[in-house]
Amino acid sequence: QKEVEQNSGPLSVPEGAIASLNCTYSDRVSQSFFWYRQYSGKSPELIMSIYSNGDKEDGRFTAQLNKASQYVSLLIRDSQPSDSATYLCAVKRNSASKIIFGSGTRLSIRP
Amino acid sequence: ETGVTQSPTHLIKTRGQQVTLRCSSQSGHNTVSWYQQALGQGPQFIFQYYREEENGRGNFPPRFSGLQFPNYSSELNVNALELDDSALYLCASSLGGTNTHYGYTFGSGTRLTVV
Repeated sequence: QKEVEQNSGPLSVPEGAIASLNCTYSDRVSQSFFWYRQYSGKSPELIMSIYSNGDKEDGRFTAQLNKASQYVSLLIRDSQPSDSATYLCAVKRNSASKIIFGSGTRLSIRP
Repeated sequence: ETGVTQSPTHLIKTRGQQVTLRCSSQSGHNTVSWYQQALGQGPQFIFQYYREEENGRGNFPPRFSGLQFPNYSSELNVNALELDDSALYLCASSLGGTNTHYGYTFGSGTRLTVV
C-alpha cells in the first residue's frame, strides 16, 4: 500500500465547474496535510495546507480533511484553464523530517 | 528576502560519472530538504539537513550524499550515476528541522539527464 494515494487522472472538468481532487493516506499519525500544484516542467508550488478536521477555504480553493477516514480533498471552484496542472497531495508527521507525496492527479480544464 | 535557488538548471551526465547539485536556502531558513522527482511521479525524499547535520534520510543508496554549509546552503552529490538517476532534483528550505508543520517551498529544480 502506498503511503499517499491519488488517482492519476487525467481529470477533465469544464471551465467554470468545480474540480474535486481526492487523496488517501496510510499513516494515522500524520498531522499536516498539503496540496501542491505543479505545472509541466516546473517545480511544485504549495497552494493549501490543512491541519485540523473540516474545511479550509482560500479563495477558489477549499481543502477538506477527515482524519478518521484518512482522507484529504481539494475543491477548486470556478475552474479556469490556468488551473490545468498536476496536483500533488502530501502529508507529514510533525516529528518527521520528510513530507511524503502522492504521485499526483493530472487536472485538465476544458474551455 | 530571496527564495530558494538551485543550480544548475539543467545537466547532462554520462553513466558512471559524479554530479554535484547546489541549493541556496531562503534567507533565515536553517533546514534544507532534497527530493528526487522522476517523470510522472511525485517527489521522493532523499534527505534533510538541519544545522549542518543530516536529519533524516529516505530510501536512497549511499552514493547519494549531501552537505550543508554554515550559511545553510547545501549540496547534493551523486556518485556512479545510473540511467535511473535521470530526474528533476528539488531542494526546499524551511525553519526548525523536523519541528515544523509548515509545507516546504521548493526551488525551481535541477533537471539531470544521465546518458
